[in-house]
Amino acid sequence: QSVLTQPPSVSGAPGQRITISCTGNSSNIGTGNAVHWYLHLPGTVPKLLILRDSERPSGVPDRFSGSKSGTSASLAITGLQADDEATYFCQSYDSSLSSYVFGSGTKVTVL
Amino acid sequence: QVQLQESGPGLVKPSETLSLTCKVSGVSVTNRNYYWGWVRQPPEKGLEWIGDICYGGQTHKSPSLKGRVTMSLDTSRNQASLRLTSVTAADSAIYFCVRVVTGMGWFDPWGQGILVAVST
Repeated sequence: QSVLTQPPSVSGAPGQRITISCTGNSSNIGTGNAVHWYLHLPGTVPKLLILRDSERPSGVPDRFSGSKSGTSASLAITGLQADDEATYFCQSYDSSLSSYVFGSGTKVTVL
Repeated sequence: QVQLQESGPGLVKPSETLSLTCKVSGVSVTNRNYYWGWVRQPPEKGLEWIGDICYGGQTHKSPSLKGRVTMSLDTSRNQASLRLTSVTAADSAIYFCVRVVTGMGWFDPWGQGILVAVST
């Protein structure tokens, strides 16, 4: 049971915009702890996509953006491409658990 | 370019100790800007943070695993190590090595991961 809740799947047509939610509580996202996003393709290395809520590491296209409000965070992908098919997961720190915590992961399907 | 590569046995017997190594290239494990950590993912389940260690010996461990986890750094080989004692089938997972930016809390990069099964 993951501490951060994500929808199991999200789908969209090529070119569309999709969003993935990451819901926490007052001990993690709600207390201001940063949220980071990763994408993971089976058999490959998980890749950092967004750090500190909304910053993109060098090399990540601006089609990917992150935001945070209250106890939730979101990842948006615009101009959806076939290559975007992957599992995306969020991560933060839980001050009550004294532990880094992860979302359950969201599988993105491009229709 | 920083790269991490896990190695170790793919099969461990119940009650024994799981030992993994993470070979680090592209940066020294003595760099105090980073912690060297471990994350695991059991089959069909979510990711779980295990712990991390910084040069100088400071460690952070998941409260749920704390009593069974030992981490260390080998500066001569530039690698990190994980030991998990008294394993059960619940410890079967893909184990990832990660670099953690000190004080920032994101994991980058990740190793490829190594599948470890606990079974007789």
